[in-house]
Amino acid sequence: DGGITQSPKYLFRKEGQNVTLSCEQNLNHDAMYWYRQDPGQGLRLIYYSQIVNDFQKGDIAEGYSVSREKKESFPLTVTSAQKNPTAFYLCASSIGTSVPYEQYFGPGTRLTVT
Amino acid sequence: SQQGEEDPQALSIQEGENATMNCSYKTSINNLQWYRQNSGRGLVHLILIRSNEREKHSGRLRVTLDTSKKSSSLLITASRAADTASYFCATLKVFSGGYNKLIFGAGTRLAVHP
Repeated sequence: DGGITQSPKYLFRKEGQNVTLSCEQNLNHDAMYWYRQDPGQGLRLIYYSQIVNDFQKGDIAEGYSVSREKKESFPLTVTSAQKNPTAFYLCASSIGTSVPYEQYFGPGTRLTVT
Repeated sequence: SQQGEEDPQALSIQEGENATMNCSYKTSINNLQWYRQNSGRGLVHLILIRSNEREKHSGRLRVTLDTSKKSSSLLITASRAADTASYFCATLKVFSGGYNKLIFGAGTRLAVHP
């Protein structure tokens, strides 16, 4: 099956700890994205990567970091500097960044920090 | 800032009825996309309409786009209980240098009752 996997589905952490969310795709897509979704809200872009070894900040990158060492993988680290990290995190990918730019989403990771 | 804004925020209908959701946006776009999200899951791409198109159909879905009014509507005909989900519009903005960005609205929560 081709698709995007995110793990784990639920993640619990204590305040002050860094945590890394996994995102893997086997769609052979060049571009990958991380979004944050808060209850009753739309998606906000955290980081995106158009190609291996390159990534750009989105609208709310503060307190987050990413890496893109392999085409298939785009892990997101939520650092202790993120003031309000509890949220639903969605990873997505697209064939490239040229239009039409349809995105494919993973099932999400719900992070709770107490 | 969010580009797309859906209306209504929530919609409750009976099975068999039609559901209409609207999306307004602020600046020029390359295309507009509609996504569906079941509770606690990732988003699924439904349909894409380009800025030079006025109407598009896919099964029970009909999307219209009025660029002069900067608005789009999604019509689901003969709704089913399985259509219960949140529906998001996303507008694609193309920037110079090959940078493209999908901007999501806050979504319409649709409940279809048997």
